[in-house]
Amino acid sequence: SQQGEEDPQALSIQEGENATMNCSYKTSINNLQWYRQNSGRGLVHLILIRSNEREKHSGRLRVTLDTSKKSSSLLITASRAADTASYFCASSAGGTSYGKLTFGQGTILTVHP
Amino acid sequence: EAGVAQSPRYKIIEKRQSVAFWCNPISGHATLYWYQQILGQGPKLLIQFQNNGVVDDSQLPKDRFSAERLKGVDSTLKIQPAKLEDSAVYLCASSYGSYEQFFGPGTRLTVL
Repeated sequence: SQQGEEDPQALSIQEGENATMNCSYKTSINNLQWYRQNSGRGLVHLILIRSNEREKHSGRLRVTLDTSKKSSSLLITASRAADTASYFCASSAGGTSYGKLTFGQGTILTVHP
Repeated sequence: EAGVAQSPRYKIIEKRQSVAFWCNPISGHATLYWYQQILGQGPKLLIQFQNNGVVDDSQLPKDRFSAERLKGVDSTLKIQPAKLEDSAVYLCASSYGSYEQFFGPGTRLTVL
């Protein structure tokens, strides 16, 4: 498979707790993106981190990138029931593959009220 | 701003039949993508258009799948003939000038 790996495959937490999801990818990248998917809003872009960045924040989201290990993590702080969804990392190689995204298998996050 | 539109939302067909999906991207978005998402997996890129031209169709099963983007706007993805393993959600996405992609609601295809 050309897709990357994500772990855990499923994560169940209580509201207010933090959720951490990990992603590994296979080839050199230009950037890595995280998307959320739920039945209500479909697949939505959350955050993008470029290959020369190590950490990025957006609201309650924190993304890290380690290009030497070809891995990334997404941290959601103070989770809410509305964060319940599937989360996917997607890598972009850039160059002639400009715009092409390779998605991971996803992490199913359940946040209990 | 209107989002990416797709139709139909659901389609049930029998194997060996043909089916077509339609996508209308966000106005002004030059790049359009079709993805296949099988249950329990992440989306897989089938084809990428830049305006009218194909940028990447390396993962498109060309013996049965075809896609076109007329006038650099709307796009149609066709499957003929369909197989059981084509059951999936077909997602259309568009982008302009940045790496962020905007996805439509998808078409859920069931092949019996």
